[in-house]
Amino acid sequence: EVQLVESGGGLEQPGGSLRLSCAASGFTFSSYEMNWVRQAPGKGLEWVSYISSSGRYIYYADSVKGRFTISRDNAKNSLYLQMNSLRAEDTAVYYCARDLTRVEHPGYFDYWGQGTLVTVSS
Amino acid sequence: DIQMTQSPSSLSASVGDRVTITCRAGQSIGTYLNWYQQKPGKAPKLLIVAASSLQSGVPSRFSGSGSGTDFTLTISSLQPEDFATYSCQQSYITPPTFGGGTKVEIK
Repeated sequence: EVQLVESGGGLEQPGGSLRLSCAASGFTFSSYEMNWVRQAPGKGLEWVSYISSSGRYIYYADSVKGRFTISRDNAKNSLYLQMNSLRAEDTAVYYCARDLTRVEHPGYFDYWGQGTLVTVSS
Repeated sequence: DIQMTQSPSSLSASVGDRVTITCRAGQSIGTYLNWYQQKPGKAPKLLIVAASSLQSGVPSRFSGSGSGTDFTLTISSLQPEDFATYSCQQSYITPPTFGGGTKVEIK
């Protein structure tokens, strides 16, 4: 059974940092591209970042470029999102999502974690 | 970025009703259009990819159509478990973008 479990969310002050993790199981993690997608309270879904299976290709939304860093450790079956210079508008539930397309850019997402809430507030 | 516009933003329907949700892309995206279902407090679930291809395990009452800029998601006979929010997403170009969602509520 495919499972994605996020962790690392919480309350952080503006300007602070958080590191989200996503532990994957039930599939060959190293063969899949992965994404982070977020959802602000009461709002729609917003794609945040993508990483190819090898980590060679990485993309970011303009809203997080230069502040967030996506990475993965295929030996540990884990995906990460380092979030720096946090802003109030980064407040959201963050989901890791498996990409089904394998085209070395973001496609569509067939498995999602349960999400981890990041709240940025003073 | 490609803007995705869904309509309506919400609708009320009864069990057994036929429901149609529309998604319009800001530019032509071929059939690079995907649909998700999301229930409160849960992660989205992928329903349809490439405009009309049903994901494995998704009931056949769900169908998708369209190409270019205009797409529809149809639920042929609404069931109690279908009350949820539905979102479209384009995967034609990076960044992938989502519609604002359509909340399907019980009448």
